[in-house]
Amino acid sequence: DGGITQSPKYLFRKEGQNVTLSCEQNLNHDAMYWYRQDPGQGLRLIYYSQIVNDFQKGDIAEGYSVSREKKESFPLTVTSAQKNPTAFYLCASIPGTGIVGELFFGEGSRLTVL
Amino acid sequence: QQQVKQSPQSLIVQKGGISIINCAYENTAFDYFPWYQQFPGKGPALLIAIRPDVSEKKEGRFTISFNKSAKQFSLHIMDSQPGDSATYFCAAARSARQLTFGSGTQLTVLP
Repeated sequence: DGGITQSPKYLFRKEGQNVTLSCEQNLNHDAMYWYRQDPGQGLRLIYYSQIVNDFQKGDIAEGYSVSREKKESFPLTVTSAQKNPTAFYLCASIPGTGIVGELFFGEGSRLTVL
Repeated sequence: QQQVKQSPQSLIVQKGGISIINCAYENTAFDYFPWYQQFPGKGPALLIAIRPDVSEKKEGRFTISFNKSAKQFSLHIMDSQPGDSATYFCAAARSARQLTFGSGTQLTVLP
C-alpha cells in the first residue's frame, strides 16, 4: 500500500542533542513538507521541498534542517538550536500536479525533550 | 499574524445533532479552502474542500458553506456520530508554498 512512513513514532531527547526524524513516501509524490503541531496552534510549516536537491524554509525553520537527496525521502533534523523542540511533527506530500491544499500526511513523530 | 481564525476551540454535541465549526480568513488571495480531520495520534486527513467560486459543497454528512464577501467559511456535520469525534482543522491555500491552518477544533460527539 502506498503511503508516508514516519519514524520513530516516539522519540525522547536530552537537551543539547540533535535528532533526525525520518519521512519516507512510496507515492511517487514530488513535493514534501514538514509541519510542527502544538496544542491550540494548528500546524505550522517548517520546510518544504518541491524537487530533489532543493528545499525552502517555511514559517518556523529556525533550529531545523532538512535534506532531499532522494525523491522518496525528506528527513528533518531538530538541532540543539531549536529552543522548544517538544512537539508533534508531521510529514506530508503532494504529487507534482496536485493542489497544495490536498496534502497527504504521515502518522507523525512525537518528540519530547527531557 | 494569524491569517485563518477558527472557532470554537472545542465543541460537544449529542449524537444525531449538527456540529458547526467556523473559520475566517484575511488574505483575499486565498483560493482553496480544505478541511482536515485528525484522530488522536494520527496525521490529519483531507475531509472536504471548496473553491471561492462555490457557495456550498456537500459530501455525505459533511457540508462546507462559503461566504466570500464576509471572508468566512464553515463546516457542518449533520447527524453527528461518536465516530466523528476528532480534531478538525480548516485551512486556506494560495500557492504551491502557502497552506495556512486554523488552530483546530476538538469535537466530541456524545453517544
